[in-house]
Amino acid sequence: GEDVEQSLFLSVREGDSSVINCTYTDSSSTYLYWYKQEPGAGLQLLTYIFSNMDMKQDQRLTVLLNKKDKHLSLRIADTQTGDSAIYFCAVFSGGYQKVTFGTGTKLQVIP
Amino acid sequence: NAGVTQTPKFQVLKTGQSMTLQCAQDMNHNSMYWYRQDPGMGLRLIYYSASEGTTDKGEVPNGYNVSRLNKREFSLRLESAAPSQTSVYFCASSEETTDTQYFGPGTRLTVL
Repeated sequence: GEDVEQSLFLSVREGDSSVINCTYTDSSSTYLYWYKQEPGAGLQLLTYIFSNMDMKQDQRLTVLLNKKDKHLSLRIADTQTGDSAIYFCAVFSGGYQKVTFGTGTKLQVIP
Repeated sequence: NAGVTQTPKFQVLKTGQSMTLQCAQDMNHNSMYWYRQDPGMGLRLIYYSASEGTTDKGEVPNGYNVSRLNKREFSLRLESAAPSQTSVYFCASSEETTDTQYFGPGTRLTVL
């Protein structure tokens, strides 16, 4: 089945850019997502990208997709303390499980 | 729209007790899911339901049962709780166009 991997932790200073990376194994994946989970809350969809796109920008968020390397990244510009959360990469891989989630990257923003 | 709602928010059980976690969505989605979230393990799918009246096992179904009562509601039952079931449980539903999943706030379950 699909395997989605992320590093567990990232620390950045307020005002810097954050880049959260994700790799996946199923080259036939069609939709790829980024979710944000704040402490004590459920996952909230941030953005998604379709596999025929290389990049998607939405305000401070930029998603880059490298299909050849099966690599997805989320860049947060001008990172704020309110961006501190766990960020999950998820990939639609079909079959019964449909969407596979990574283990999440905890982003710590230092004031 | 309330989105996806879950009850209860917190629960403490003793080993061997049973309970049902409730989930409802008001987005008219066909597909609904139950996940558990454990530290360092991300989200693991317990059961899913592709439509009213159908349910299927996910990655970690042992010790759980589900009921898709109608299009809106999808419940998760623990018949005999075990300490290994201490976790945070999330319900989700998804739209069909992009398979985007929408999550409830979670139920934090502790089994002593």
